[in-house]
Amino acid sequence: GAVVSQHPSWVICKSGTSVKIECRSLDFQATTMFWYRQFPKQSLMLMATSNEGSKATYEQGVEKDKFLINHASLTLSTLTVTSAHPEDSSFYICSARDLAGRVREQYFGPGTRLTVT
Amino acid sequence: LAKTTQPISMDSYEGQEVNITCSHNNIATNDYITWYQQFPSQGPRFIIQGYKTKVTNEVASLFIPADRKSSTLSLPRVSLSDTAVYYCLVGDIGRDDKIIFGKGTRLHILP
Repeated sequence: GAVVSQHPSWVICKSGTSVKIECRSLDFQATTMFWYRQFPKQSLMLMATSNEGSKATYEQGVEKDKFLINHASLTLSTLTVTSAHPEDSSFYICSARDLAGRVREQYFGPGTRLTVT
Repeated sequence: LAKTTQPISMDSYEGQEVNITCSHNNIATNDYITWYQQFPSQGPRFIIQGYKTKVTNEVASLFIPADRKSSTLSLPRVSLSDTAVYYCLVGDIGRDDKIIFGKGTRLHILP
């Protein structure tokens, strides 16, 4: 099946700094990617929909100025957590659709563990 | 996406067959039923997808009754490595729909 990668797999940063997380579709093109956040023992929460060549669509309650999303190519979307604080510590997961694929599914990345100290 | 209801947790033993049922009373005509598996600190992994009747692959079976208001994921002869959270999703996630995850079912396999 199609593969989605994320980089880095984990990152530790100091409060007030910014962190960029990359999401790549390795063997297919993805016009749409999704970003999720997951806290321990909880389900995935959709943060935003990333559209290639246009602005991202954010879910209610997600600060667009804090979580900057850029989908500059058909294989890469980035999530930048700006001025990170300890409460932003979480597991961030991206997913992508392969519209040319046979199966109607979304492919998920392995996730990025962010720890803000 | 149609709202789904599934048990919060289940326990079973190695070698047993495990059935996890998901209710989706408001499923739409164009909706598919998709199950994902998630291990701790990993992204969800696709297990199986179906529209109606029965679908089987190398890891699971999916049973969907005629009214499509529920579905059952069947895992044959589970092992300890099947301990994970299982999510039932209803919609056309491969095309137009974004995925809104429910709470999932936390399956714990005992030796």
